[in-house]
Amino acid sequence: EAGVAQSPRYKIIEKRQSVAFWCNPISGHATLYWYQQILGQGPKLLIQFQNNGVVDDSQLPKDRFSAERLKGVDSTLKIQPAKLEDSAVYLCASSLDMGGTDTQYFGPGTRLTVL
Amino acid sequence: GEDVEQSLFLSVREGDSSVINCTYTDSSSTYLYWYKQEPGAGLQLLTYIFSNMDMKQDQRLTVLLNKKDKHLSLRIADTQTGDSAIYFCAVAGGSYIPTFGRGTSLIVHP
Repeated sequence: EAGVAQSPRYKIIEKRQSVAFWCNPISGHATLYWYQQILGQGPKLLIQFQNNGVVDDSQLPKDRFSAERLKGVDSTLKIQPAKLEDSAVYLCASSLDMGGTDTQYFGPGTRLTVL
Repeated sequence: GEDVEQSLFLSVREGDSSVINCTYTDSSSTYLYWYKQEPGAGLQLLTYIFSNMDMKQDQRLTVLLNKKDKHLSLRIADTQTGDSAIYFCAVAGGSYIPTFGRGTSLIVHP
């Protein structure tokens, strides 16, 4: 079974530039998550999708971050414009459903450096 | 909101047992998880326990939950160099969204 795919793996941009990350979840997984993991900290949920609908985006800085999952499969996360404090690893995860025992499978992440 | 605390580092000798501790604040937490993160990789779920359980054992892993003290621990028996990684404690309530600790770096030396 293929895992969660993310691209790019690394991205370096200057502040005020835009950047987009892509995630392809495990086939058949209805729930998709984007997390931000700042160096030395645990992941923090940014947004959760159930199929193509948003379940929770309360931690997403909506003035600069946006995410979509138009066809209920792949998802993109965009930052526009980027700030220095956005430097982090952006992790995508998927699960079969959104219950507490539905295991979240994580992708390898995209490491973003904002200069 | 929920707060999850872990010690940052643990160093053990190969073959010894490792015990990683975690405390949390929200007594309504229902699901408690342990994740492993190796360098350059995403998180891998190791095991989880429900809040109505005291203990769960899975091969070399033993999870203990003290709900009264809101304390969770992960014991790894016969620790190997391949166990070197960052271990995250995470807890979730009714929303099923886990709140993660900062992670404990486990260093296993020969």
